[in-house]
Amino acid sequence: QKEVEQDPGPLSVPEGAIVSLNCTYSNSAFQYFMWYRQYSRKGPELLMYTYSSGNKEDGRFTAQVDKSSKYISLFIRDSQPSDSATYLCAIYTGGFKTIFGAGTRLFVKA
Amino acid sequence: NAGVTQTPKFRVLKTGQSMTLLCAQDMNHEYMYWYRQDPGMGLRLIHYSVGEGTTAKGEVPDGYNVSRLKKQNFLLGLESAAPSQTSVYFCASSYPDRDFNTEAFFGQGTRLTVV
Repeated sequence: QKEVEQDPGPLSVPEGAIVSLNCTYSNSAFQYFMWYRQYSRKGPELLMYTYSSGNKEDGRFTAQVDKSSKYISLFIRDSQPSDSATYLCAIYTGGFKTIFGAGTRLFVKA
Repeated sequence: NAGVTQTPKFRVLKTGQSMTLLCAQDMNHEYMYWYRQDPGMGLRLIHYSVGEGTTAKGEVPDGYNVSRLKKQNFLLGLESAAPSQTSVYFCASSYPDRDFNTEAFFGQGTRLTVV
C-alpha cells in the first residue's frame, strides 16, 4: 500500500462548480499536510498547509484533514478556468522527507 | 526576483553519457532538494542539502551525485545516463519554518530524455 494515494483524474468541471480533491494516507502519525498546485510544464507551488485535524480556509480554497479516516481534502469554490492544473497532496513525515501524491489533473471548462 | 532557476530546461542524452543539472536560488535558503517526477508517481526525493558543503541521500539516489559548493547553487550529476532516468527533474529550496521545514519553492523543471 502506498503511503499516500491520490486519484489521478482527470477531473473535468464547469466554471463555477465546487471542486473536491482528495487523498488518503496510511500512517495515523502524520501531522503536516499540504496541497501544491502545478500548472502544465511548471514546478509545483504551495497552496496551503494544515497541521493535525480540521479546516483551513484561504479565499476560494479550503483544506480539510480528517485524521480518524486518514483522509485529506481540498475544496475549490467558484472554480475558474485558471484553476486548471494538477493538484498534489503532500505529507511531511519528518527528517526532510515529504511524501507527494501522484496528483489529480483538474480541468475547469469556461 | 528569480526564485529558483534550473538549467537546462530540456536535454536529450544518449545512454552512458553524463551531464550536470544546475539549480540556483536567490532567496538565501538553507535547504535545497532535487526531485524527479514520473507519470503516475509522486515527486521522489533524490538528494538534498541542509547547507553549503553538505549533502544527503533521499529516496532514489542511485545513479546520481550532487554537490553544494555555494549556498545558492545545488548541482545534480548523472554519472552514466540510463533510459530509466528519463524524467522531469525539479530543484527546490526552503528555509526552516518554526513548525516544520518543508515549505518548498520549486524551479520550473528540467525535462530529460535518455535514449
